[in-house]
Amino acid sequence: EAGVTQFPSHSVIEKGQTVTLRCDPISGHDNLYWYRRVMGKEIKFLLHFVKESKQDESGMPNNRFLAERTGGTYSTLKVQPAELEDSGVYFCASSQLRASNEKLFFGSGTQLSVL
Amino acid sequence: AQKITQTQPGMFVQEKEAVTLDCTYDTSDPSYGLFWYKQPSSGEMIFLIYQGSYDQQNATEGRYSLNFQKARKSANLVISASQLGDSAMYFCAMSPSSNYQLIWGAGTKLIIKP
Repeated sequence: EAGVTQFPSHSVIEKGQTVTLRCDPISGHDNLYWYRRVMGKEIKFLLHFVKESKQDESGMPNNRFLAERTGGTYSTLKVQPAELEDSGVYFCASSQLRASNEKLFFGSGTQLSVL
Repeated sequence: AQKITQTQPGMFVQEKEAVTLDCTYDTSDPSYGLFWYKQPSSGEMIFLIYQGSYDQQNATEGRYSLNFQKARKSANLVISASQLGDSAMYFCAMSPSSNYQLIWGAGTKLIIKP
């Protein structure tokens, strides 16, 4: 069974440009999460989809970030325009259920560098 | 405030020795889950072990065990008989029942010496 896949693994862009990150969850997992780790800080929650609906987007830092999950399958996270402080590792995770004891399956992350 | 604290930024351990990675947490939620994840150099977060706040017994998964002390709000990970492949970053995380967001510690970089 394929795990959570993230693309690209690395992205280097200039300030002001747009970047789109993609996440393919494990097949059949309705719950999809985005997390990020900026340099020197803890991993932070960004948002949570249940199927195609945004269940919780309280962690999104500002309106330069837009997440979508078309048809409840893969998800994209667009940053437009990118700023220097957006640099970090963006993780995607998925789970079958939504519960405090449900383990999340993570991808390998996208390392985003904004210059 | 909900918080996870990992006080060991890095650790060196001799192969085959046991190692304990510290984790303390703070939450006002009566129900919560505690997780440990491993991040090898490949970048993927790998689930290791889970402990529920109402679980009476400490969780175990193979060589991993979680030393859960609820009154002290600690959830230390114990790895028995460490192996070279255990070298990685280890993250402690908490999932409060109030919103199911994972709250993460800063991580501990574990290096196993041959």
